[in-house]
Amino acid sequence: DTGVSQNPRHKITKRGQNVTFRCDPISEHNRLYWYRQTLGQGPEFLTYFQNEAQLEKSRLLSDRFSAERPKGSFSTLEIQRTEQGDSAMYLCASSFRTAAGYTFGSGTRLTVV
Amino acid sequence: AQSVTQPDIHITVSEGASLELRCNYSYGATPYLFWYVQSPGQGLQLLLKYFSGDTLVQGIKGFEAEFKRSQSSFNLRKPSVHWSDAAEYFCAVDGSSNTGKLIFGQGTTLQVKP
Repeated sequence: DTGVSQNPRHKITKRGQNVTFRCDPISEHNRLYWYRQTLGQGPEFLTYFQNEAQLEKSRLLSDRFSAERPKGSFSTLEIQRTEQGDSAMYLCASSFRTAAGYTFGSGTRLTVV
Repeated sequence: AQSVTQPDIHITVSEGASLELRCNYSYGATPYLFWYVQSPGQGLQLLLKYFSGDTLVQGIKGFEAEFKRSQSSFNLRKPSVHWSDAAEYFCAVDGSSNTGKLIFGQGTTLQVKP
């Protein structure tokens, strides 16, 4: 068990560029979540996968955001045409079942300049 | 709608003093409740969780929390705080057991004075 791994740890991009983040969950976990956390706030739910199926998306996830989990293992979160308001920490978490709670990754901090 | 309120944005305690962080939730039934801790620039670590049964739950690092249905509260406590406990603490509720989606509070930043 190597934990939840997120890459990159930090990303600085110019407004209008596309960015992609990767999350590698704990191997036996079938549930994977993406959250966004802005400074001074708690994490906000973005989307949820069970295996490869994306089962829920928040209205926070605009059309510029897309997430995939192609083989039920790692996941990617892509943001197209980034805006300054996208600057945040993007957290990935995985779990085997609800009762277990999550294991979070260390996050990817995105700065849009 | 489900919500979580952490009334204290910032708390400062002296090392060795007791600690209580408040959490109130809004949900129709008994939800799953969690406390997480986050060190600067890091992800969140699960401290403890409540699903059912004994309303006093024990967690890691000497933390405990008590679920009080009548007050819709799930306060986190520690009898003696260590300098390494300085961090941000988040209370969360899962009201949709099918998905495991969590609603987080705004967080409480704990500062520990020597």
